[in-house]
Amino acid sequence: DTAVSQTPKYLVTQMGNDKSIKCEQNLGHDTMYWYKQDSKKFLKIMFSYNNKELIINETVPNRFSPKSPDKAHLNLHINSLELGDSAVYFCASSHGNTGYTFGSGTRLTVV
Amino acid sequence: GESVGLHLPTLSVQEGDNSIINCAYSNSASDYFIWYKQESGKGPQFIIDIRSNMDKRQGQRVTVLLNKTVKHLSLQIAATQPGDSAVYFCAETGRGSSNTGKLIFGQGTTLQVKP
Repeated sequence: DTAVSQTPKYLVTQMGNDKSIKCEQNLGHDTMYWYKQDSKKFLKIMFSYNNKELIINETVPNRFSPKSPDKAHLNLHINSLELGDSAVYFCASSHGNTGYTFGSGTRLTVV
Repeated sequence: GESVGLHLPTLSVQEGDNSIINCAYSNSASDYFIWYKQESGKGPQFIIDIRSNMDKRQGQRVTVLLNKTVKHLSLQIAATQPGDSAVYFCAETGRGSSNTGKLIFGQGTTLQVKP
């Protein structure tokens, strides 16, 4: 069983479209995250949810909207996609400050 | 501001040699540090962690050293193998107002192991 699974693994879409990435964790963790990895491999946090509540929003454009229907799921919806949104998006989870586990990533390419 | 940096973008070592990957951090409130390994097409995988009340921690073939005085972290890999080839990241999370659980990552060091 994959601990943190995200779908799709690859996503190619045109500018202006709206797309969603889904994430699920089966670790029983209380906190979930979205990180963005740019072309230079730099990883930066975007959002964090603790028990379905938003606790971190790191100056991400409001075209990005996370949604957590329950503490095992954290989805990321992106409106009006732009070329600069092309990156690899990683979902992660933790139990408080420990046990950080990452998904395998979603490579988003905006054309 | 907070930042975590790595000294070298690429490290090339001979198979069987020991590897040392370095990391500097700037947040003196940091109390938990993690090293991750990222292989091509995969997510970051946990290697080893250390809390600020320790200065050394050992795992299987890996050792993490923490020097709080100079805010420096290092990862030592013994008897480096081809399977160790990957990008290595240090990450930290801190106390106080920054204790939201977020990890702050360094830029990453690419480790290349030559056979």
